[in-house]
Amino acid sequence: EVQLVESGGGLAQPGGSLRLSCEVSGFSFRDSWMTWVRQAPGKGLEWVATINGDGSVKSYAEPIKGRFTASRDTAQNSLYLQMNNLRADDTAVYYCARNRAYNCLDFWGQGALVTVSS
Amino acid sequence: QSALTQPPSASGSPGQSVAISCTGTSGDIGAYDYVSWYQQHPGKAPKLIIYEVNKRPSGVPDRFSGSKSGNTASLTVSGLQADDEADYYCGSYGGRKVFGGGTKLTVL
Repeated sequence: EVQLVESGGGLAQPGGSLRLSCEVSGFSFRDSWMTWVRQAPGKGLEWVATINGDGSVKSYAEPIKGRFTASRDTAQNSLYLQMNNLRADDTAVYYCARNRAYNCLDFWGQGALVTVSS
Repeated sequence: QSALTQPPSASGSPGQSVAISCTGTSGDIGAYDYVSWYQQHPGKAPKLIIYEVNKRPSGVPDRFSGSKSGNTASLTVSGLQADDEADYYCGSYGGRKVFGGGTKLTVL
């Protein structure tokens, strides 16, 4: 059974940092592109970042470029999103998802809520 | 970057069919067959229901179908059921990676 479990969400102050983790099981993590997607309260889905199987290729959405960094650890079967210089408009549920043949997202985690507020 | 354009709402009675559109540009939907559709129930994670314009993952009923013409993709839900009431998002992974703004489907 494919499972993706996010952790690390919570409350951060503006300008602060948080690190999200996504532990996966049930598929070959090393062979899979992975993506982070976020959803602000009451809003739609927003693509955040995508990383390839060995972590050598990464792409980021413009609003978070230079502040967020995606990474992965194959030995831990885990995906990470380091979020620095957080802003109020980064408040959202953050989902990790597996890319199917790169071009869509076939399995999703349950989401981790990040709230940025003073 | 602007999202793909979807109508904010759609509705239909049980047993009827409803279509939801998703409009992009010649640089994304128009150029690539990498359109996907996701169903999201309240408080739940999105679920992939259509990929590569018109393919269904295993386990998704054939009541869900997808198509594309030019820069616009469409999701059709046939034989509406109560459990189809949810938010639906289109996504494109060609050119730019972007989602639509979402359509709330109400089963009357």
